[in-house]
Amino acid sequence: DVKVTQSSRYLVKRTGEKVFLECVQDMDHENMFWYRQDPGLGLRLIYFSYDVKMKEKGDIPEGYSVSREKKERFSLILESASTNQTSMYLCASSLGDRFNQPQHFGDGTRLSIL
Amino acid sequence: GNSVTQMEGPVTLSEEAFLTINCTYTATGYPSLFWYVQYPGEGLQLLLKATKADDKGSNKGFEATYRKETTSFHLEKGSVQVSDSAVYFCALIQFYFGTGTSLTVIP
Repeated sequence: DVKVTQSSRYLVKRTGEKVFLECVQDMDHENMFWYRQDPGLGLRLIYFSYDVKMKEKGDIPEGYSVSREKKERFSLILESASTNQTSMYLCASSLGDRFNQPQHFGDGTRLSIL
Repeated sequence: GNSVTQMEGPVTLSEEAFLTINCTYTATGYPSLFWYVQYPGEGLQLLLKATKADDKGSNKGFEATYRKETTSFHLEKGSVQVSDSAVYFCALIQFYFGTGTSLTVIP
């Protein structure tokens, strides 16, 4: 069965820490995405990547960066965590084809910044 | 620009009731449209999709028709079950998601 795996289900960090969220997919997908999910706001795109070492900003990239050194792995980095980054983070992947393909999602990481 | 507007919830229905969750979109061209479902504690799963005007996506008794003239992609099910309780998201291509509609079905 196809799978997107996020490294942690729950994570608690302190303000100012550098935080890494990891995502791995086993489907050989070209595209990978990071979203945050907040009540009443739905999913908002942080960054996406359409190839190894390629990245594009989404709607809310401020305070985040990403890394894609291998096709199967896409990391989200909070450079200096702040309390307003407390949220649910979802990783997704998909085949290429101009972003018209359905996405496969991980189960999410619920991140709390204290 | 592109956007999705989804009916706000929460929605509470009795088992076997008819379900409609409204979704309208703004876009140029003919982008793909999706409905995803999220069960408690899980990520999103694809429920159905449509790739061009007048396409009807269907899965597990749910249906949605891509209507270009009304820029809509409403989700419907004729008879809901308790197991359909979840949050439903409408999406335009891979970048634009609605705010989600929480559905609770009571026995």
